[in-house]
Amino acid sequence: GAGVSQTPSNKVTEKGKYVELRCDPISGHTALYWYRQSLGQGPEFLIYFQGTGAADDSGLPNDRFFAVRPEGSVSTLKIQRTERGDSAVYLCASSFGTSNTEAFFGQGTRLTVV
Amino acid sequence: GESVGLHLPTLSVQEGDNSIINCAYSNSASDYFIWYKQESGKGPQFIIDIRSNMDKRQGQRVTVLLNKTVKHLSLQIAATQPGDSAVYFCAETPYNQGGKLIFGQGTELSVKP
Repeated sequence: GAGVSQTPSNKVTEKGKYVELRCDPISGHTALYWYRQSLGQGPEFLIYFQGTGAADDSGLPNDRFFAVRPEGSVSTLKIQRTERGDSAVYLCASSFGTSNTEAFFGQGTRLTVV
Repeated sequence: GESVGLHLPTLSVQEGDNSIINCAYSNSASDYFIWYKQESGKGPQFIIDIRSNMDKRQGQRVTVLLNKTVKHLSLQIAATQPGDSAVYFCAETPYNQGGKLIFGQGTELSVKP
C-alpha cells in the first residue's frame, strides 16, 4: 500500500510569509508525528497526534508553529511569519500505535525561507 | 566560527567487509530503540529495533546490540554493500512518551567498491 505522503516536496517562501505543509499518513495509522531536520543533524521532534488531538506539542519551537489533524488522518503543519531559521526538511511519520511500534516516515518537505 | 552539526561522523568500509556503527543514547528511561537508514533526499527508513528487555537482536545482515549499563547501541552490518551507503541514525523512545523518537547525530557510512 501507499506510504506516508508529504506535499509539497519543496517549498520556497519569502521571509514573513505563511506556509502550510501537508502530511497524508498510512491508512489506519492512529499516531502521526512531525519532525524537523536541519542539514547534518538528526530529526528533531515537533509534535505528535493520537487521533485528532495533539498529545504532545513540546517540540514546537514557538507560537508561530501550529499543527492540526481535524479528522484523525491528514495533518497540516502551519508556520506563520516564516524566518530564515525555519529553513529545514520537515518530516512526517505515522504508526499504528504509540507503544514501541515502528514509525514510517515520508520523504519530507524541504522548506527554504529567503 | 565552526558550524556545529554539519560534519557527521563518517565510516568508510570496503565492500564485503562488516560495518559497526555506534551510538550513545541519553535517557536511561528509554525502553525502545531503533536504527534508521537515511539516503540523500529521502526520509529515514526503519532497519531494526530492540526493546530494553533484550541485549541483542538480529535481522537480515544486521544485528543490533544494546548495553543499558553504559547506554550504548551498536548496529552491525554484515557483508556491507554499496547500497548500504547512507546516513545511519539511532533513535530512542523514552518510556511513556507516546512513541516520540529522540534521534542521535547520525553516522555517514561510505562503502567503497
